[in-house]
Amino acid sequence: DAGVIQSPRHEVTEMGQEVTLRCKPISGHDYLFWYRQTMMRGLELLIYFNNNVPIDDSGMPEDRFSAKMPNASFSTLKIQPSEPRDSAVYFCASSLGLFTDTQYFGPGTRLTVL
Amino acid sequence: AQTVTQSQPEMSVQEAETVTLSCTYDTSENNYYLFWYKQPPSRQMILVIRQEAYKQQNATENRFSVNFQKAAKSFSLKISDSQLGDTAMYFCAFFSGNTPLVFGKGTRLSVIA
Repeated sequence: DAGVIQSPRHEVTEMGQEVTLRCKPISGHDYLFWYRQTMMRGLELLIYFNNNVPIDDSGMPEDRFSAKMPNASFSTLKIQPSEPRDSAVYFCASSLGLFTDTQYFGPGTRLTVL
Repeated sequence: AQTVTQSQPEMSVQEAETVTLSCTYDTSENNYYLFWYKQPPSRQMILVIRQEAYKQQNATENRFSVNFQKAAKSFSLKISDSQLGDTAMYFCAFFSGNTPLVFGKGTRLSVIA
């Protein structure tokens, strides 16, 4: 298996633009997670899905952020409109079980909002 | 709310030596899980070791071992025979059934040749 795949690896955009981050989890994993990593706040869980259904989105910072998982092999995290404070590394991870099983992380997307 | 504290922002160790990274957490839960993740310069997050709170025996994975002190709410990571490839950020993380995974701020470890 190729592991968790994220795209793009780097994204530079201007304030106000829409940004879409993509994730392909490991086949067979029932859970998918989106994290954000910044120097100030560390690693934060934004949202996670179980069998394509969002379970907990309490970590999503505000309404500008939305996440979808239309099928078992694809998820998106969208920011609209983007702001400079959204600049961070965004990770997608997947696992067989909830947290007690190993979470496999993707390589991350480094987002810069100018 | 559960919190995870890593009090050492940066550490360094000579190659082949042993280093211990500290982690403390705060919770009122009795059953939970603790993790150490490694993030090398490639930014990938890699699970290093996992400990179930109900297990008294400390977890061990090759050169990596933990010292789990439940009463003190302490979960330190010991790396033996440090290698250059161990250079990375190390994150301590906590999970119980009632909260999502909570990470510490990380410790940057440099292994020096």
